[in-house]
Amino acid sequence: KAGVTQTPRYLIKTRGQQVTLSCSPISGHRSVSWYQQTPGQGLQFLFEYFSETQRNKGNFPGRFSGRQFSNSRSEMNVSTLELGDSALYLCASSLVEGGNSPLHFGNGTRLTVT
Amino acid sequence: GENVEQHPSTLSVQEGDSAVIKCTYSDSASNYFPWYKQELGKGPQLIIDIRSNVGEKKDQRIAVTLNKTAKHFSLHITETQPEDSAVYFCAASVMATLVFGKGTRLSVIA
Repeated sequence: KAGVTQTPRYLIKTRGQQVTLSCSPISGHRSVSWYQQTPGQGLQFLFEYFSETQRNKGNFPGRFSGRQFSNSRSEMNVSTLELGDSALYLCASSLVEGGNSPLHFGNGTRLTVT
Repeated sequence: GENVEQHPSTLSVQEGDSAVIKCTYSDSASNYFPWYKQELGKGPQLIIDIRSNVGEKKDQRIAVTLNKTAKHFSLHITETQPEDSAVYFCAASVMATLVFGKGTRLSVIA
């Protein structure tokens, strides 16, 4: 079974630009969660999607948004990029929603904002 | 908000020795506690998990213990090997999501 696939692996953007990251979950998994990983803050929850609906949202500004498609694939978008948005963005899928089942992570997208 | 504290932040052990990483959580409603291993350039991988109705779980050289009263849980790795070197994260379920500790960088010295 293929794992969680995230594209692209690396991105370099300039302040003020916007970016879209993509995530394909494990086949059969309907929940997709996004996390931001930085050396200082660790892994911080962005949001979770299940059956195309956002089920939960972390404490991030409205510049961070996401969506899920009918095939469970998900995208996240960051608008008006700031230097502090430089991070590893991780997507994780699970069979069910809600944080009480194992998350299966992709290898992440490394975003650098200059 | 919910906090998961993880200690130590770095840990060095000799090959063959045991390693213990400890985490505490604050939400008494937390009922799911996974542990993840992250190697360089990769995403975190689940290595073991425990639910609140169980006090201990073991999988070969890895074990996790949970003390609900004290709100802490620990990861134990026995007979450490160089390939155990990585960053380890604990997590606790909080209000329909997982909150992660800040991680422990484990170095196993051959």
